[in-house]
Formats: sequence, structure tokens, C-alpha cells
Amino acid sequence: NAGVMQNPRHLVRRRGQEARLRCSPMKGHSHVYWYRQLPEEGLKFMVYLQKENIIDESGMPKERFSAEFPKEGPSILRIQQVVRGDSAAYFCASSPGVGHVELFFGSGTQLSVL
Amino acid sequence: AQSVTQLDSQVPVFEEAPVELRCNYSSSVSVYLFWYVQYPNQGLQLLLKYLSGSTLVKGINGFEAEFNKSQTSFHLRKPSVHISDTAEYFCAVSESSYDKVIFGPGTSLSVIP
Repeated sequence: NAGVMQNPRHLVRRRGQEARLRCSPMKGHSHVYWYRQLPEEGLKFMVYLQKENIIDESGMPKERFSAEFPKEGPSILRIQQVVRGDSAAYFCASSPGVGHVELFFGSGTQLSVL
Repeated sequence: AQSVTQLDSQVPVFEEAPVELRCNYSSSVSVYLFWYVQYPNQGLQLLLKYLSGSTLVKGINGFEAEFNKSQTSFHLRKPSVHISDTAEYFCAVSESSYDKVIFGPGTSLSVIP
């Protein structure tokens, strides 16, 4: 029973390029969460999605960041025109849905912007 | 809006000694409370959770936590730590099963041989 899969593990981009981070939730999980972790800081909530629906995006920067969780395929966190300040570890978590409070985390994607 | 405070950013402790990691939260409603552990270069995994009922919650690896509503605290304890407990520990809160989970800044536990 595979866990939450994130890829790539490491992603290097130059300033101005686009970054696409993928997250495949655990089998049977319909809810996905994205968090950002900076050195010496905790996990900052970004967005909470259900299949084909954004439930809460209160933690997403207003510009350049977007997320989706299509009916088929992984959830995608997309960062356009990356800047050095976007360098961080991005973690995805999934849960079965409403009524289930435990989050299952992937191993994260380390984004480095040169 | 809910928030989580972890007063100690780093806690060094000798092997086999007891440890307490502190967590305080703020919320206007009833909450669900969690402790997660993160080992180097890995994602987080759940140690224990409080949803309702008994205020003393037991988790994996010998950890336990006590919910104190009057002090809005959820401190994590272990009576005797091992080297393998060296990791980052995060306290987290959620206001419902369909709400986001908010994490504290984390406490780095270092177990000294």
C-alpha cells in the first residue's frame, strides 16, 4: 500500500522559470494539503483541495502560485516565475476526507532557485 | 483563527532522561490536537492525537500528551528518551475534521549519548 508520493524529490530552477510539484495521495484518499517549510520555521499551510475543488487557499500567495487536484492524476502545485525566496521544502499530505483528521505526509520536494 | 506556540525551539536531553516538549494553542472553539515527528529528510508522521474523551493520550514510541483545556496546552512527554528520538517535533491544531491543520514552529529534540 503505497504512501503519499511526491516528485521530484529535488528541483532546481533559475529565477523566472516555472516549477511544477506533483503529489499522488494514498490510495482511497480524496483530500490533499500542501505545506511549505523554510529552514528554522514550521510548516506553513498553503492550500487544501478535494478532487476538482479548492476548499481553502488562504495560505497561498496571491500571485504566481496555483494548485489543482484533477479528477484523474496527481495534485499539482505550480509556481510561476520563481524567485529565490521560493526556495523551500514543499510537503504534500493526504487524508481520506471529511471525518478523518490524520494527515499522511509525503517526503517532500526541495525546491532550489538559483 | 487558531494558532500554535511551541516555546522551546531546541531541547537537548541526555539518553534515558525524561523529556517534556511544550505546546500551547489558541482557538475560539473546540479543537483537535496533534503531535507529529519529522526525522531528517523525511515527511511528518503522526505520534498521537486528541479528538475527545480522556485528556491523557498515548502514542507511538512511548510518547504521551495531556490536553489541558484551562491552560490551552497539549504538552508531549516521554519518561526515558533514546538516541533514535532525535528529531523535529511539531504540535498541530485543527478546528474540525474538514478544516485545515495548523502547525507550530517545531521543537528540535537532540538526545545526547
